[in-house]
Amino acid sequence: AQSVTQPDIHITVSEGASLELRCNYSYGATPYLFWYVQSPGQGLQLLLKYFSGDTLVQGIKGFEAEFKRSQSSFNLRKPSVHWSDAAEYFCAVGGQAAGNKLTFGGGTRVLVKP
Amino acid sequence: DGGITQSPKYLFRKEGQNVTLSCEQNLNHDAMYWYRQDPGQGLRLIYYSQIVNDFQKGDIAEGYSVSREKKESFPLTVTSAQKNPTAFYLCAIKSNEKLFFGSGTQLSVL
Repeated sequence: AQSVTQPDIHITVSEGASLELRCNYSYGATPYLFWYVQSPGQGLQLLLKYFSGDTLVQGIKGFEAEFKRSQSSFNLRKPSVHWSDAAEYFCAVGGQAAGNKLTFGGGTRVLVKP
Repeated sequence: DGGITQSPKYLFRKEGQNVTLSCEQNLNHDAMYWYRQDPGQGLRLIYYSQIVNDFQKGDIAEGYSVSREKKESFPLTVTSAQKNPTAFYLCAIKSNEKLFFGSGTQLSVL
């Protein structure tokens, strides 16, 4: 069965500092990997995705993520955090073997200090 | 996403009552999904539909029902059999292997 683990429930970072959110997945075939962001009381917005090819993918709002097959990881990074990046972030895994279903991690809530 | 409309934004259910959450899309996509979100648990799949008049159970379908009579609409009914319905419910469509979400409905029990 596929699964996603986001080890950090909360992360606090100072504005302007770098941010890295961890994501580990379990999937029996070539995964499709996603990062979503959610503001309170809102739906999820897609930040970036990995399907194949270059293992470093760029997304919106200055985010990037690196797929490491050997570590079953897909960590999200941003070099300099803005106050507007305070939100909850979700990693998800899916793929053709999953029958069109995505499995989400439990989320990481990011707080930004001024 | 502007093409996916969930209503109402907030909904209250009395004990023993069935309630229906609406999800409408004008994006002409076949696949639609319902997820439930609880704090600290991420999103869990309730039901999904890949085509009109067809749908499949997700991981937590018990106490829920759906219909897909039109491509544009995928309503979710939370039945009285769902004993813990308080949650944030999210509808999504799939486009090019990516999910795009509506703005959600918060369901609470009176």
